[in-house]
Amino acid sequence: GENVEQHPSTLSVQEGDSAVIKCTYSDSASNYFPWYKQELGKGPQLIIDIRSNVGEKKDQRIAVTLNKTAKHFSLHITETQPEDSAVYFCAASSNFGNEKLTFGTGTRLTIIP
Amino acid sequence: DAGVIQSPRHEVTEMGQEVTLRCKPISGHNSLFWYRQTMMRGLELLIYFNNNVPIDDSGMPEDRFSAKMPNASFSTLKIQPSEPRDSAVYFCASSLQTGGGELFFGEGSRLTVL
Repeated sequence: GENVEQHPSTLSVQEGDSAVIKCTYSDSASNYFPWYKQELGKGPQLIIDIRSNVGEKKDQRIAVTLNKTAKHFSLHITETQPEDSAVYFCAASSNFGNEKLTFGTGTRLTIIP
Repeated sequence: DAGVIQSPRHEVTEMGQEVTLRCKPISGHNSLFWYRQTMMRGLELLIYFNNNVPIDDSGMPEDRFSAKMPNASFSTLKIQPSEPRDSAVYFCASSLQTGGGELFFGEGSRLTVL
């Protein structure tokens, strides 16, 4: 089955700096890669996703890149703000869908004011 | 819409007791998922339903776990008998469709089995 590895497990950045979280996946058939943000005491919330026919996607301060050859994808957050502090999860699935998402282990991002 | 509603938010019980977690998905969503989150294993899919029918329960850890979806607006996850290793946060999520729809998670039910 799919195996998703996520690094780093914790990340602290100064407010205004950029943050990058990286994930690798094992199943070359995977074609859907969402990122979820989980705030304390809440459920995860989708922030951005990318499909394998696209190499990069951007939404305001958030961008995701995908390298299918290397089987890795990354989340980039620019101009970080205190409200970006949360746990971020990457995920992958092989049917363009959400039925069999395999999640990474999460990255706890702390923005230092 | 109020989002996905889960109850109870917190449950503390003793080993051997039956635990029932409840979920109300977002109205109009036809797919429902139960996840378990622990520090050791992260987010694991337990089971998902499409149009109230269980599609894949391969993630259910053992026979002590069962899930039902009697109608489009209600699902339960039952653990009987509960064990300390079942302690985790259990999330319910719903989506408008399988095949690429965004998952909308509830706030979770934190279960502690003593």
